[in-house]
Amino acid sequence: DAGITQSPRYKITETGRQVTLMCHQTWSHSYMFWYRQDLGHGLRLIYYSAAADITDKGEVPDGYVVSRSKTENFPLTLESATRSQTSVYFCASSESKQVQVEQFFGPGTRLTVL
Amino acid sequence: GQNIDQPTEMTATEGAIVQINCTYQTSGFNGLFWYQQHAGEAPTFLSYNVLDGLEEKGRFSSFLSRSKGYSYLLLKELQMKDSASYLCAVLSGGYQKVTFGTGTKLQVIP
Repeated sequence: DAGITQSPRYKITETGRQVTLMCHQTWSHSYMFWYRQDLGHGLRLIYYSAAADITDKGEVPDGYVVSRSKTENFPLTLESATRSQTSVYFCASSESKQVQVEQFFGPGTRLTVL
Repeated sequence: GQNIDQPTEMTATEGAIVQINCTYQTSGFNGLFWYQQHAGEAPTFLSYNVLDGLEEKGRFSSFLSRSKGYSYLLLKELQMKDSASYLCAVLSGGYQKVTFGTGTKLQVIP
């Protein structure tokens, strides 16, 4: 199906474990983003990517790693999960050629770190 | 840095009009978005303002004043399904960086 998907939708893990959240889009959008959403903070940018093999830090990158070997995929890895990383994670994409740079969001992954 | 302020919660009556305000302080302003987010769902795009003035789209309108660092989202003929959070977001910088406010949770009551 066309669009932007995330997996898993729900994940429970333990402190210290490595976790990878997947994001896949079928529009061939250049830009992809990872946000986390927490009560009282709204959506905060973790990492973004302007194209394959080009990534950069956002507002809250510590404890996270990203890669983008293919345009359509943008996985987010928590190298050693901490309780403070319990959150809802949203992946988004946008097409840089558009004047109106609307971002399209995936359905989210709800991550709980015990 | 970026600073975006919007009310935390609002309540309005079905069929009425509600205005959700957003003020921002930012460098390199390129435009302002409004997104709607229903509980447990992803944000979805409502509007984008880059020039001063009012943009109307059906029951929803969005206004921008760049000199005042101010925007509002106007929802007319409120319906129960409009109960959601409304996120103000500012586009700045050269890489499509969007900074989101904390959102306004709107409750529509009968």
